Amino acid sequence: DVKVTQSSRYLVKRTGEKVFLECVQDMDHENMFWYRQDPGLGLRLIYFSYDVKMKEKGDIPEGYSVSREKKERFSLILESASTNQTSMYLCASSPGTGDYGYTFGSGTRLTVV
Amino acid sequence: QKEVEQNSGPLSVPEGAIASLNCTYSDRGSQSFFWYRQYSGKSPELIMSIYSNGDKEDGRFTAQLNKASQYVSLLIRDSQPSDSATYLCAVRWSGGYQKVTFGIGTKLQVIP
Repeated sequence: DVKVTQSSRYLVKRTGEKVFLECVQDMDHENMFWYRQDPGLGLRLIYFSYDVKMKEKGDIPEGYSVSREKKERFSLILESASTNQTSMYLCASSPGTGDYGYTFGSGTRLTVV
Repeated sequence: QKEVEQNSGPLSVPEGAIASLNCTYSDRGSQSFFWYRQYSGKSPELIMSIYSNGDKEDGRFTAQLNKASQYVSLLIRDSQPSDSATYLCAVRWSGGYQKVTFGIGTKLQVIP
C-alpha cells in the first residue's frame, strides 16, 4: 500500500514563527498536494506539485510556500505563522499518469498561539 | 468558482438500511468523481471513483453518476454502525491542471 507520512501529528507554534510541515510518500508518485481542513469549509487546496522542482498555487496559497527538492518529499512552509492558520493540514499524493484518487497522510493538527 | 455541494447532515439511518449520499457540482465538463470516507479524527480514504454515466458497484457501495444533471451519489447498502463517518465528494475539473475540489462532506450516522 502507498504510504504518505506526515512528520508530526500535533504541533503548537507561536505567532510569527516559521513552520515547516513535512510529507514523504514511498510509492514513487509524481503528484503531491497540501490541503487544509477546517470545520464548515472542508478541504481547501493550498499548493500542489506534479514534478520535482515544480509547484503551483492552489486556491488559498497566501501565507504559505512549498518545496519539492526530491520526488518523495513535499514540504509546506508557513513563512510567519498566524492564528488563522490554526488548522488540520493534510498531505496527499497520486500517480502521475491515469485518473486516480488521492492517498492522504494522517494529517498534522497545527495550533498557532 | 467551481463548486461541489453536499448536505452536511447528519444523515441518520437505521442499521441494515440503505444510506443515500448526494453531491452536485458546477462544472459540466468534469470527468472524474470520487468518494472518500473520513472517520472522526482520521484522514480521508478513497472508497469509490466513477467516470462514466450510470452505476458502479463495489461490495456494499454503489456510486451513481448523472453528468446531464451534474449529480453524483453514493449508496451504502446494509448500513453498519462502522459506516458512521463523514463522506466527502470530490470532483476533478476539466482543463488546466485538473484540480480536485472537495465538498464539505456529509456526516452519516448508522443507528444500531
